[in-house]
Amino acid sequence: ELQLLESGGGLVQPGGSLRLSCAASGFTLSSYAMTWVRQAPGKGLEWVSAITVSGDDTYYADSVKGRFTISRDNSKDTLSLQMNSLRADDTAMYYCAKDLRLLGTLDSFDVWGQGTMVTVSS
Amino acid sequence: EIVLTQSPATLSLSPGERATLSCRASQSVSSYLAWYQQKPGQAPRLLIYDASKRAPGIPARFSGSGSGTDFTLTISSLEPEDFAVYYCQQRGNWPLTFGGGTNVEIK
Repeated sequence: ELQLLESGGGLVQPGGSLRLSCAASGFTLSSYAMTWVRQAPGKGLEWVSAITVSGDDTYYADSVKGRFTISRDNSKDTLSLQMNSLRADDTAMYYCAKDLRLLGTLDSFDVWGQGTMVTVSS
Repeated sequence: EIVLTQSPATLSLSPGERATLSCRASQSVSSYLAWYQQKPGQAPRLLIYDASKRAPGIPARFSGSGSGTDFTLTISSLEPEDFAVYYCQQRGNWPLTFGGGTNVEIK
């Protein structure tokens, strides 16, 4: 079974930092472009960031550009999201998701983790 | 940014009825549109990709259609487990975007 597992969420004060991680089982994460999607409590889905297979190209929503950094370590088959200068409106469940197609980008997402909750509050 | 508008926001139907959900894009996304189902406390699940292709394991009662700016997700006969929130997502251009969702609730 293909699975993703996020970790690293928690409670952080406004202006603080947090690093999320995502690990895969049942498939080789390093063969797929990967994405982070978030969902504020009671709200819809918001695409946050994506990274190509090689890691050479990254993409961000305007709401997080300059504050968040997506990265991957293909030798360890892991994905990360470094979140700095956190704000109250960053409070959300953060999901990592796998691109449907091998070696692609700009795709749909066929495998999702269960999410890790980030709460930004003083 | 391509804005996806889903309608209606809420659809109240009974099991066995047909559900028709709409997603309209602010500019053409060709056939690069997907549909997801999300139940409370769960991650989204991919149902349809590239407007009309069912993801593996998705029942045949789910079908997608459309291209350009107007798309439809149809559930031919609602099963009890189909009551959930449905989102569309475009991959025509960066940034990727999702629609606001349609809540299919039991009437």
